[in-house]
Amino acid sequence: KAGVTQTPRYLIKTRGQQVTLSCSPISGHRSVSWYQQTPGQGLQFLFEYFSETQRNKGNFPGRFSGRQFSNSRSEMNVSTLELGDSALYLCASATTGLAYNSPLHFGNGTRLTVT
Amino acid sequence: AQSVTQLGSHVSVSEGALVLLRCNYSSSVPPYLFWYVQYPNQGLQLLLKYTSAATLVKGINGFEAEFKKSETSFHLTKPSAHMSDAAEYFCAVSDIGGYNKLIFGAGTRLAVHP
Repeated sequence: KAGVTQTPRYLIKTRGQQVTLSCSPISGHRSVSWYQQTPGQGLQFLFEYFSETQRNKGNFPGRFSGRQFSNSRSEMNVSTLELGDSALYLCASATTGLAYNSPLHFGNGTRLTVT
Repeated sequence: AQSVTQLGSHVSVSEGALVLLRCNYSSSVPPYLFWYVQYPNQGLQLLLKYTSAATLVKGINGFEAEFKKSETSFHLTKPSAHMSDAAEYFCAVSDIGGYNKLIFGAGTRLAVHP
């Protein structure tokens, strides 16, 4: 079974631009969540989608948004990029809604560098 | 609010020595706890999880963790370190009602030397 696939692996953008990251979950998984990983703040939850509905959102500005499609694939968008948005963005998928009985499977991430 | 504290951002052990990575949690309700491992340039891989079935949890690659409510701890251990265990390890707690939201500790980087 193929794992969680994130594209692209690396991105370099300029301040003020916007970016879209893509995540294809494991087949059959309906939940997709996104995390930001930085050396200073560690791993922080961005948002989670289940069957195209956002169920939970982390404490990030409105510049960060996401969506999920009917095939469970998800995208996240960051508008008006800032230097502090440079990070590894991780996507994770799961079969159902609760982490305790449906562990998260992570992709290898998209490394975003903002210059 | 729930939180996780990992004591020691860097741990170094010799190959064959005991690995002990510390994790303490804060939760107002019985928590669900996890350990993840991250190798360079990769995502996170689940090592093991505690979901109240048993206090001693065995995971992959010879790792295990013991849930101690009285100490609010969930330390990760492995009897004998291998060079391939060198990685960053994250302890996490499942957010109450947060569906698949995990709250992670800051991580512990494990170095294994010959």
